[in-house]
Amino acid sequence: GAVVSQHPSRVICKSGTSVKIECRSLDFQATTMFWYRQFPKKSLMLMATSNEGSKATYEQGVEKDKFLINHASLTLSTLTVTSAHPEDSSFYICSARDRTSGEDTQYFGPGTRLTVL
Amino acid sequence: RKEVEQDPGPFNVPEGATVAFNCTYSNSASQSFFWYRQDCRKEPKLLMSVYSSGNEDGRFTAQLNRASQYISLLIRDSKLSDSATYLCVVNTGFNKFYFGSGTKLNVKP
Repeated sequence: GAVVSQHPSRVICKSGTSVKIECRSLDFQATTMFWYRQFPKKSLMLMATSNEGSKATYEQGVEKDKFLINHASLTLSTLTVTSAHPEDSSFYICSARDRTSGEDTQYFGPGTRLTVL
Repeated sequence: RKEVEQDPGPFNVPEGATVAFNCTYSNSASQSFFWYRQDCRKEPKLLMSVYSSGNEDGRFTAQLNRASQYISLLIRDSKLSDSATYLCVVNTGFNKFYFGSGTKLNVKP
């Protein structure tokens, strides 16, 4: 399957700082990328849909000014958690939509575990 | 009503057993369907797409029933390594993919 990378895999930061997470599709161009967060033993929660060259579409209840998304190229989307608080600690996972294979599937990055102290 | 619903389990089965999961979806216009597996503290990985005619990949068989709006996953000859959470995913179109909450499978020796 297609490969999606995510960086960093793990980050610990102080409350009030900002953290940037990168999501890259390595072997295909992704016009659409998705950002999810997942709490322990819970399912994925879609935060926003990132479209290359346009503004992200945020799900209800997700603050767009707190979770800044930029999708500047067909292979890179970034999520910046601004002014992080301990309640932002979570597992953040991106996925990239591959429409070239004919199956229109999502491939997930390995995730970023964010801990805010 | 949730877009996608799954029995959370856990399903505890012995090695070699056959186990089946179902997943129901609410949007009759849903376009494509997938099963993913997720290991603890890891990202979901695509297991297989689900086609209208049903499809098989080794020990795994997926089926779609549009009339009753459910998809199923059958695992034959369960292995210890099959222990994971299985996520049902439905694409309703317009960039909308909905995830079930997952079904946990524990395969015991």
